[in-house]
Amino acid sequence: GENVEQHPSTLSVQEGDSAVIKCTYSDSASNYFPWYKQELGKGPQLIIDIRSNVGEKKDQRIAVTLNKTAKHFSLHITETQPEDSAVYFCAASREGFGNEKLTFGTGTRLTIIP
Amino acid sequence: GAGVSQSPSNKVTEKGKDVELRCDPISGHTALYWYRQSLGQGLEFLIYFQGNSAPDKSGLPSDRFSAERTGGSVSTLTIQRTQQEDSAVYLCASSLDEGGAVDTQYFGPGTRLTVL
Repeated sequence: GENVEQHPSTLSVQEGDSAVIKCTYSDSASNYFPWYKQELGKGPQLIIDIRSNVGEKKDQRIAVTLNKTAKHFSLHITETQPEDSAVYFCAASREGFGNEKLTFGTGTRLTIIP
Repeated sequence: GAGVSQSPSNKVTEKGKDVELRCDPISGHTALYWYRQSLGQGLEFLIYFQGNSAPDKSGLPSDRFSAERTGGSVSTLTIQRTQQEDSAVYLCASSLDEGGAVDTQYFGPGTRLTVL
């Protein structure tokens, strides 16, 4: 089955600087890669996603890049703000097979230092 | 509109007791997933429902775990004879599952289960 690894497990960044979180996956059939943000006491919330036919996607301060050959994808947050502090999870899934269960990485606790 | 809701938000039980966790998906969402989040770990898949049927139960850790879904809506995850290792946050997610492109999974707030 699919295996997703995520690094780093913790990340502290000065407010205004950029943060990068990296993930690798094992199943070359995976073709959908979402990123979720989880705040304390809440369920994960989708912040951005990318499909395997695209190499990069951007939404305001958040961007995701995908390298299918190397089987890795990354989350980039620019101009970080205190409200970006949370745990971030990457995930992988196979589109179009009905069951689109997500395989998650182990999460990155991001702390923005004011 | 209303999101995915789960109840109870917290459940403390004694080892050996049975527990039921409830999930109310977003109205009209045909796909429903249960995941488990253990302390310091990522989310692990438990079971997938398409309508009322569960074509993938591969993530259920033992036969003490079972789940059902009725009316294509509410789902209940039951854990029998709970053990301390069952302590975790149990998350439910739903999606439209219209076929074609992957549908976003929307998560509920979870149920934090503590087995003493």
